[in-house]
Amino acid sequence: GENVEQHPSTLSVQEGDSAVIKCTYSDSASNYFPWYKQELGKGPQLIIDIRSNVGEKKDQRIAVTLNKTAKHFSLHITETQPEDSAVYFCAASIEKGSTLGRLYFGRGTQLTVWP
Amino acid sequence: ETGVTQTPRHLVMGMTNKKSLKCEQHLGHNAMYWYKQSAKKPLELMFVYNFKEQTENNSVPSRFSPECPNSSHLFLHLHTLQPEDSALYLCASSQGAVRGLGTDTQYFGPGTRLTVL
Repeated sequence: GENVEQHPSTLSVQEGDSAVIKCTYSDSASNYFPWYKQELGKGPQLIIDIRSNVGEKKDQRIAVTLNKTAKHFSLHITETQPEDSAVYFCAASIEKGSTLGRLYFGRGTQLTVWP
Repeated sequence: ETGVTQTPRHLVMGMTNKKSLKCEQHLGHNAMYWYKQSAKKPLELMFVYNFKEQTENNSVPSRFSPECPNSSHLFLHLHTLQPEDSALYLCASSQGAVRGLGTDTQYFGPGTRLTVL
């Protein structure tokens, strides 16, 4: 099955700086890559996703890049704010026509933004 | 809020107890999921229901028994659990499909923090 590796496990940045979280995947058939943010006491919330027909997607301060050849994808957060502090999870999945896709998650990155 | 609610939010039970976790979604979705989230480990998919039919059981021990009476409700019945079953149990829902479609966006509830003594 798919194996998703996520780094780093913890990340501390100063408010206003950028944060980058990286993930690699093993199954070249994977073509859907969502990112989730989990705040304390809450379930994971989808913040952005990308499909393999594009190399980059941006939504305000958040961007995701995908390198299919190298099988890695990254989350970029610019102008970080204290409320960005949370655990971030990457995931990978295969969109198939015949079965409901299954998400394979990374282990998560604890991001702390210091004021 | 995401439109997915879970009760109870916290549960402490002994190894001989029987309890149930409840999940309800108000999004009109047709697929529902149970995940286990343990410290330092990736989220583990446990069960998937699509249009009330179980489509996946990820080798989950029989002491966990899911039930999906309709597309809006999902239960996880627990009995004779072990201390290593202590974790956050997350429910999620997605649009789902009649003949499968691949991945659609999953919306998570807040989870039930389970402690097995």
